[in-house]
Amino acid sequence: EDQVTQSPEALRLQEGESSSLNCSYTVSGLRGLFWYRQDPGKGPEFLFTLYSAGEEKEKERLKATLTKKESFLHITAPKPEDSATYLCAVQAVRGTGTASKLTFGTGTRLQVTL
Amino acid sequence: NAGVTQTPKFQVLKTGQSMTLQCAQDMNHEYMSWYRQDPGMGLRLIHYSVGAGITDQGEVPNGYNVSRSTTEDFPLRLLSAAPSQTSVYFCASSYSGYSNQPQHFGDGTRLSIL
Repeated sequence: EDQVTQSPEALRLQEGESSSLNCSYTVSGLRGLFWYRQDPGKGPEFLFTLYSAGEEKEKERLKATLTKKESFLHITAPKPEDSATYLCAVQAVRGTGTASKLTFGTGTRLQVTL
Repeated sequence: NAGVTQTPKFQVLKTGQSMTLQCAQDMNHEYMSWYRQDPGMGLRLIHYSVGAGITDQGEVPNGYNVSRSTTEDFPLRLLSAAPSQTSVYFCASSYSGYSNQPQHFGDGTRLSIL
């Protein structure tokens, strides 16, 4: 069974204080690992897809990295507008003709203060 | 470009009532899915569809029905609402259920069952 564990559950940073969010996963074969951002009252917004260990993706102050067991979302010099819940999800490799579904973690709630 | 549109945004039901949550996408995506999001739990898959006329059960299907008569629409039906179905419901779509393309989410329906 695919499993995703995110830590910490909540993180409070001051503006400019860099940090990392962790996503540990167990999956028989990884097709893709996805990061989403979710603002209160909104649906998850896609950020990155990572496919294989060693891969990195960047977008503004965010950088996502992937190993064989976990992914990190690094936030450099965060701003208050980066406050949100960040969700991680994995998609496993399945047999031919079998739809591959997402398994989500419970998220990290990030608050960035002035 | 509207993306994924969910209606209604809020709904209050009494136990035993039925209702349909609507989901429409304008991206010509083949794969559509329904999730529920509860505090302390990750997004959980209810039902999904890999194309018009094809649906399948996810992790928590009991009490819910779906159909997919067109590519664009994927309604979720609650047959006899129960308080345990109080949740936030998200619809998502992606290019294909057999690829690692990201899923795009609507902004959710917040449902309370009294």
